[in-house]
Amino acid sequence: GESVGLHLPTLSVQEGDNSIINCAYSNSASDYFIWYKQESGKGPQFIIDIRSNMDKRQGQRVTVLLNKTVKHLSLQIAATQPGDSAVYFCAESAGSYQLTFGKGTKLSVIP
Amino acid sequence: DAGVIQSPRHEVTEMGQEVTLRCKPISGHDYLFWYRQTMMRGLELLIYFNNNVPIDDSGMPEDRFSAKMPNASFSTLKIQPSEPRDSAVYFCASSQGGGTGGKLFFGSGTQLSVL
Repeated sequence: GESVGLHLPTLSVQEGDNSIINCAYSNSASDYFIWYKQESGKGPQFIIDIRSNMDKRQGQRVTVLLNKTVKHLSLQIAATQPGDSAVYFCAESAGSYQLTFGKGTKLSVIP
Repeated sequence: DAGVIQSPRHEVTEMGQEVTLRCKPISGHDYLFWYRQTMMRGLELLIYFNNNVPIDDSGMPEDRFSAKMPNASFSTLKIQPSEPRDSAVYFCASSQGGGTGGKLFFGSGTQLSVL
């Protein structure tokens, strides 16, 4: 989920398990959503995106689900690996190139 | 392609000094963005350019901050004079137009520390 203040919410999962990272967005006019992964000392890296005319989109080991009714976005990572440990950000935009980022969720994979 | 290239990777300076951050976007990308990341505020958009023209600078904190894009392959973000509260990681990102939203490609960032 999204964080408030200094502390990022942390999700700890066992290696090989599935991970679900959640994101609530506030702008009902948002029509484009994107997930980024940020490893320590690096810039955010694109994972997957989805437009508002879709409910689900799958990539390699990742799935994004969009529920516009409750303004909720989730990222599912299958068979989580140690290399998936990072901070994950959701971002939204409403008809422009201006992305608004959430505060992030830290994923820790336990070997 | 080498991706978005930022320099320097780290900058330590004293309060009152001028700081210039540099960015080379991915060739062919027509949008360039400057973001600032802090633990308290997360990723904040400062300014973005389309075809070298500033489109929205409403995120620029104050007049001490300025950004330029003299050509399609280079942009600078300048802080003058710098203050300790400017300490953050500054990211440059670029994207290719063609629709709303857009997948951004980020550089590795500049870690700025103002003492």
